[in-house]
Amino acid sequence: AQTVTQSQPEMSVQEAETVTLSCTYDTSESDYYLFWYKQPPSRQMILVIRQEAYKQQNATENRFSVNFQKAAKSFSLKISDSQLGDAAMYFCVYNAGNMLTFGGGTRLMVKP
Amino acid sequence: SQTIHQWPATLVQPVGSPLSLECTVEGTSNPNLYWYRQAAGRGLQLLFYSVGIGQISSEVPQNLSASRPQDRQFILSSKKLLLSDSGFYLCAWRTGQLNSPLHFGNGTRLTVT
Repeated sequence: AQTVTQSQPEMSVQEAETVTLSCTYDTSESDYYLFWYKQPPSRQMILVIRQEAYKQQNATENRFSVNFQKAAKSFSLKISDSQLGDAAMYFCVYNAGNMLTFGGGTRLMVKP
Repeated sequence: SQTIHQWPATLVQPVGSPLSLECTVEGTSNPNLYWYRQAAGRGLQLLFYSVGIGQISSEVPQNLSASRPQDRQFILSSKKLLLSDSGFYLCAWRTGQLNSPLHFGNGTRLTVT
């Protein structure tokens, strides 16, 4: 079974600074997708960014970008110019079929 | 556009009572449907998923069950709740395409007393 590991239970960042959240996964598949989700205190799950494994180019969505290293099975999320509204739980998600596998999450705190 | 409705938002039930949580999706056909449970401050645990009417896959053996009586309706049930069933339950849908992300409902906070 695939596993997704987020090794940082908690991270903190100063407002306007940059922070990187780590994610590694284990798979024998060659075609798959990776996602980052954000869960603010409201507990609504919000899609932040997605990455196709067959694309070498790293995905970018405004202040959010990923560093996808397929050989290393690493998928980190970089948040630039952090804002107070970025404070949330962040989940790394792997998908190669009908079942999506979630990492344990990283709680991001943003200091004003 | 597609929307997902999940209710109730909050539920307090005594141990041994039955449970029924409902989820419906609008604006799409033949979605894949999912039930997740989230303990406080923890990740998501997949409980059930369905790729079609009457097709239910269970990931965790427990006293919960799921049903899909209609294409866009997914129900989570229990005959007798346990204290350990307390948690935050999330329903989600996606298309059958590999690149489709999950779209979540607003969740149900269940407290078993």
